[in-house]
Amino acid sequence: GESVGLHLPTLSVQEGDNSIINCAYSNSASDYFIWYKQESGKGPQFIIDIRSNMDKRQGQRVTVLLNKTVKHLSLQIAATQPGDSAVYFCADDNAGGTSYGKLTFGQGTILTVHP
Amino acid sequence: DTGVSQNPRHKITKRGQNVTFRCDPISEHNRLYWYRQTLGQGPEFLTYFQNEAQLEKSRLLSDRFSAERPKGSFSTLEIQRTEQGDSAMYLCASSSTGLSGNTIYFGEGSWLTVV
Repeated sequence: GESVGLHLPTLSVQEGDNSIINCAYSNSASDYFIWYKQESGKGPQFIIDIRSNMDKRQGQRVTVLLNKTVKHLSLQIAATQPGDSAVYFCADDNAGGTSYGKLTFGQGTILTVHP
Repeated sequence: DTGVSQNPRHKITKRGQNVTFRCDPISEHNRLYWYRQTLGQGPEFLTYFQNEAQLEKSRLLSDRFSAERPKGSFSTLEIQRTEQGDSAMYLCASSSTGLSGNTIYFGEGSWLTVV
């Protein structure tokens, strides 16, 4: 019979390659963005964040780029490892003021790293 | 490690029963959030507290849902007369309103299955 399900964007890479995960947001008032990693059966794990007064921020093996003109966010993971395999979510603070800290999550991208 | 702690991690209940989840935030975090996540989706905001005050509730939070944070530390989320549509992972998160930023850290979640 027919089956219907949600299909998250997927990205498959080889171990050692760099990964780029993209995210679009819609709220021009958003001024704070976060990337989370979520492994199966676990809660979202904070990776890196960026505020709207920046266009780039680097962490350990990760870089987040923010393009406010086109409302686009990306997460770059250098030298991807099998342990990076997970679902990655971008989230933004969607009020920029009165309810600062209330997050709206994107769809999520499944990253699979092959040894 | 004193991260966000949630319990129980898993709960199976019969339709119509009441369930309660507990969340212990990171110590000294004055903000506490509840989110709900269903399979294949990102977390959705339910409600949040600043200290003991519940400052915002989502339309997703029906009358059967109630959350409390009586002393500004731990919080409980109660679902009365559970329905099968309540089956999801309930995530708690916490943050601080300090000058260092508003990084929101999540717990491992409480899985609810309503049969």
